[in-house]
Amino acid sequence: AQTVTQSQPEMSVQEAETVTLSCTYDTSENNYYLFWYKQPPSRQMILVIRQEAYKQQNATENRFSVNFQKAAKSFSLKISDSQLGDTAMYFCATAHTGTASKLTFGTGTRLQVTL
Amino acid sequence: DTGVSQNPRHKITKRGQNVTFRCDPISEHNRLYWYRQTLGQGPEFLTYFQNEAQLEKSRLLSDRFSAERPKGSFSTLEIQRTEQGDSAMYLCASSSRAGGYTFGSGTRLTVV
Repeated sequence: AQTVTQSQPEMSVQEAETVTLSCTYDTSENNYYLFWYKQPPSRQMILVIRQEAYKQQNATENRFSVNFQKAAKSFSLKISDSQLGDTAMYFCATAHTGTASKLTFGTGTRLQVTL
Repeated sequence: DTGVSQNPRHKITKRGQNVTFRCDPISEHNRLYWYRQTLGQGPEFLTYFQNEAQLEKSRLLSDRFSAERPKGSFSTLEIQRTEQGDSAMYLCASSSRAGGYTFGSGTRLTVV
């Protein structure tokens, strides 16, 4: 079984500043993916960034980067130069690389970007 | 590629009624997933199809719930004898491989 824990229910950051969202996970799988998804009020789940567990290099996607600590089972998301459009719920998730590969999500962090 | 489409967007029903939701995945995606998301929570897995075969079901999927994917294309999720606890957002996602998921906008169900 897989579990994902997001310990920050809400975060706030000023526009143009940097914010880090925390995520820890537990899995018995050797091969898995880790994800950060964004869910704005429009509610469609949008992929922000994905990390393959076998890769040591941290994934980056423009202003978004992760700090993947495999031994500690930690997967935090850093948002640089925050923009008003980043305001949303952010979910950390994991999925193993097998056939079904269903996603297991955390409870989310609500991020508010302010002027 | 028009993405994953879910209909209806909203559904309000009286307790005890049956409801059916539809998901149209991306056409080349052979994998399809249903999730349920309650307020303030992350989505929880309900069931998974590979082509037309339903390969996995969560314990959350009680016998009042049934899902189908005839011909491996669109999928339907039916809830019989709805209860207030069924009120949630029902999300559909599709993928062609592990690790690459596209989500629909969801169907919000309210049981009154």
